[in-house]
Amino acid sequence: DTAVSQTPKYLVTQMGNDKSIKCEQNLGHDTMYWYKQDSKKFLKIMFSYNNKELIINETVPNRFSPKSPDKAHLNLHINSLELGDSAVYFCASSRTSGGTYEQYFGPGTRLTVT
Amino acid sequence: AQKITQTQPGMFVQEKEAVTLDCTYDTSDPSYGLFWYKQPSSGEMIFLIYQGSYDQQNATEGRYSLNFQKARKSANLVISASQLGDSAMYFCAMREDYSSASKIIFGSGTRLSIRP
Repeated sequence: DTAVSQTPKYLVTQMGNDKSIKCEQNLGHDTMYWYKQDSKKFLKIMFSYNNKELIINETVPNRFSPKSPDKAHLNLHINSLELGDSAVYFCASSRTSGGTYEQYFGPGTRLTVT
Repeated sequence: AQKITQTQPGMFVQEKEAVTLDCTYDTSDPSYGLFWYKQPSSGEMIFLIYQGSYDQQNATEGRYSLNFQKARKSANLVISASQLGDSAMYFCAMREDYSSASKIIFGSGTRLSIRP
């Protein structure tokens, strides 16, 4: 009965490769997010989609491309991976009306670039 | 400018004692929301408690309460009767705008360790 799920949980790959992380939520939320957590545990937003429309795009290299095929899914594709991309990537979702807007997080994907 | 400040990188507390985790924030928006999240060593982010800027009363959720002092721009998390399972990273976060999908900004976190 997972609320926000991400696959894969672990991803080990070499520099220069292209990889994708998938996210799905079954909470009926209309907004989804991608966050990056670095080795110092600092959590920073990367992207946000509301009803499949990109509404937040922080200063992220354009090697990172999110895609939202529908309200329940938000995928992250990363081209030409670099060592500095190693981090934990979290997907999250929230409502944006009639509530407190807390975000529910997926379990995270630990990406290691070698 | 730092929007969310957590000044305690780490804390040690004896089991069953109460603990206060500090958080101060900076915003000029009259409408905002404050959140606390827990991240245990397993890595998941768990939503704990929410306080809206217009809420008159401090939020409470079980053993968690939020000591909201609006004039001082602080939103400290109080955990009563701490348990070993409370050992984790705790993040304070703020959402500045109630309109659709504005971002949440996180503080740098406090690592709480509960001693048996």
